Amino acid sequence: GQNIDQPTEMTATEGAIVQINCTYQTSGFNGLFWYQQHAGEAPTFLSYNVLDGLEEKGRFSSFLSRSKGYSYLLLKELQMKDSASYLCAVRGGDYKLSFGAGTTVTVRA
Amino acid sequence: EAGVTQSPTHLIKTRGQQATLRCSPISGHTSVYWYQQALGLGLQFLLWYDEGEERNRGNFPPRFSGRQFPNYSSELNVNALELEDSALYLCASSRIGQGVNEKLFFGSGTQLSVL
Repeated sequence: GQNIDQPTEMTATEGAIVQINCTYQTSGFNGLFWYQQHAGEAPTFLSYNVLDGLEEKGRFSSFLSRSKGYSYLLLKELQMKDSASYLCAVRGGDYKLSFGAGTTVTVRA
Repeated sequence: EAGVTQSPTHLIKTRGQQATLRCSPISGHTSVYWYQQALGLGLQFLLWYDEGEERNRGNFPPRFSGRQFPNYSSELNVNALELEDSALYLCASSRIGQGVNEKLFFGSGTQLSVL
């Protein structure tokens, strides 16, 4: 089975940086995804990592260490619109995509 | 290009009834996934269909079932509804079911309320 852990809530100030950590234990590994979900809306894809290292995409970056079962999502230059839930998801050996409970990020002015 | 569409948006049922939720994937996508998102909880995997066949199933009782039609649209059926089935049911689609880097595209969900 899969076990995916991430913090429940984080608060940061507009313009700041926030790092959301995700640890996982899975049977097999076929990639890690980050999704953003605004309240009342569908989750939308942010990033994908399958090899160790940092993937940068604009203000968002995602890091993966397979040996440690660890990933983080880095949000830079925070904007009010970044207030949302951020979901860590792992594709296991059976190709099923399992999600963590999500981290609610609140950006304050 | 149309995204993943789900219907109905909201559904209200009483305990013991049956609910049917529908999903149309993005054109060209053959895989459909169903997730349950209860209030305050993460997305719980329900079912995965690819090319008309059930590929994987989450830890849910048999009263949760579904199917995928030849046009790749899908139905989720929940029988003998219980109060704890109240949740947002999200459908997602992808081009290839077993593609390692294939991302899922989500619909806006069906909010099921069981009274």
